Amino acid sequence: DSGVTQTPKHLITATGQRVTLRCSPRSGDLSVYWYQQSLDQGLQFLIQYYNGEERAKGNILERFSAQQFPDLHSELNLSSLELGDSALYFCASSAPYSDTQYFGPGTRLTVL
Amino acid sequence: GQNIDQPTEMTATEGAIVQINCTYQTSGFNGLFWYQQHAGEAPTFLSYNVLDGLEEKGRFSSFLSRSKGYSYLLLKELQMKDSASYLCAVRSDYKLSFGAGTTVTVRA
Repeated sequence: DSGVTQTPKHLITATGQRVTLRCSPRSGDLSVYWYQQSLDQGLQFLIQYYNGEERAKGNILERFSAQQFPDLHSELNLSSLELGDSALYFCASSAPYSDTQYFGPGTRLTVL
Repeated sequence: GQNIDQPTEMTATEGAIVQINCTYQTSGFNGLFWYQQHAGEAPTFLSYNVLDGLEEKGRFSSFLSRSKGYSYLLLKELQMKDSASYLCAVRSDYKLSFGAGTTVTVRA
């Protein structure tokens, strides 16, 4: 158990819908990262927040957005869902001045 | 951009040693990580190299050569529970880019 929590564990929805994935970082960690892992793409970095501010952006689609709240939890919003968005979505966190990321258990999203 | 290469699959016998190689090309370099991932589970941190040389941690060791853009993960005294995917990841700026992973199968 890394100390990073994610909800929900599983999510099944239909094309065109919108979902919100939630992440709570380890106690004391200020950075939160979001990743997408699909069978054909591997683990892809989406976006990073540090203490409420966006710090880095990866291959995140315009239909996706994220934010980090004052209590440091983060949410990833996915809208206008397509079949290809079906994947495992991981959140990770790291401590201040540390580069090591610890991953949460992930949310498995299935778009039907 | 990043280009990270590692073998797709490796098979070894219980008790043996396996070496997983990773080569990378990157526009910047702030460190190299190895993660273990069992199917359907979260990646678990194994090692971090930022300077050249060997880092040893129990049965696992990781080596880095920045001039060659090369790293390896050495797994010793293999156990059945070591069957998993091993991900090489390069940190550049604030981003971590992952290789496709090497699936290691340990046979009795």
